[in-house]
Amino acid sequence: EIVVTQSPVTLSVSPGERATLSCRASQSVSSNLAWYQQKPGQAPRLLIFGASTRATGIPARFSGSGSGTDFTLTISSLQSEDFAVYYCQQYNKRPYSFGQGTKLEIK
Amino acid sequence: EVQLLESGGELVQPGGSLKISCVVSGVTFRDYSMNWVRQAPGKGLEWVSFISDSSDAMYYSDSVKGRFTVSRDNAKNSLYLQMNSLRAEDTAVYYCATAFNYDGAYWGQGTLVTVSS
Repeated sequence: EIVVTQSPVTLSVSPGERATLSCRASQSVSSNLAWYQQKPGQAPRLLIFGASTRATGIPARFSGSGSGTDFTLTISSLQSEDFAVYYCQQYNKRPYSFGQGTKLEIK
Repeated sequence: EVQLLESGGELVQPGGSLKISCVVSGVTFRDYSMNWVRQAPGKGLEWVSFISDSSDAMYYSDSVKGRFTVSRDNAKNSLYLQMNSLRAEDTAVYYCATAFNYDGAYWGQGTLVTVSS
């Protein structure tokens, strides 16, 4: 089973600043890595798939990078609506494991 | 517009059974492999099960293997999860989601299953 680890667990950033979230897989997942945003009481929202492809309707301030085992989600200029929990998921090999999440909070 | 609508979640006693459903619209359902993902209260996301587009392959997480069965009816654009021998730790919101393809993946809004006496 591929273990996916996100860091940090909590990230405090001011609106307008850049946020960088990390995701590491215990073995290579190629580019089969997705990022989700989840707000309280809502379903996860797909942001990025294929490590770097934005899903339909996702603003350009969200970008993903990486391949193999190390991945990054960057939010270039934080808006108030971006404060949420973010999950990464590998879908290269079943079981399709998720990271434990990074909570992005207002500084 | 793509829509996935789960239903059937309810309160069930430990050891009981429940079947939840997901109806998909806005895409050609028979072209998509599907997944079930769950989220326990206050916890992270956990992949549960996968079924291929033609039902010739099904996979399960170790935590539900032997107790849960995934199925689909392509004529009804519907996905199902039969859950038997339910435990308190199966309490979660259950989401259906399409497998990834060229345009990403789609998720439903979830249905809450509560296992409690």
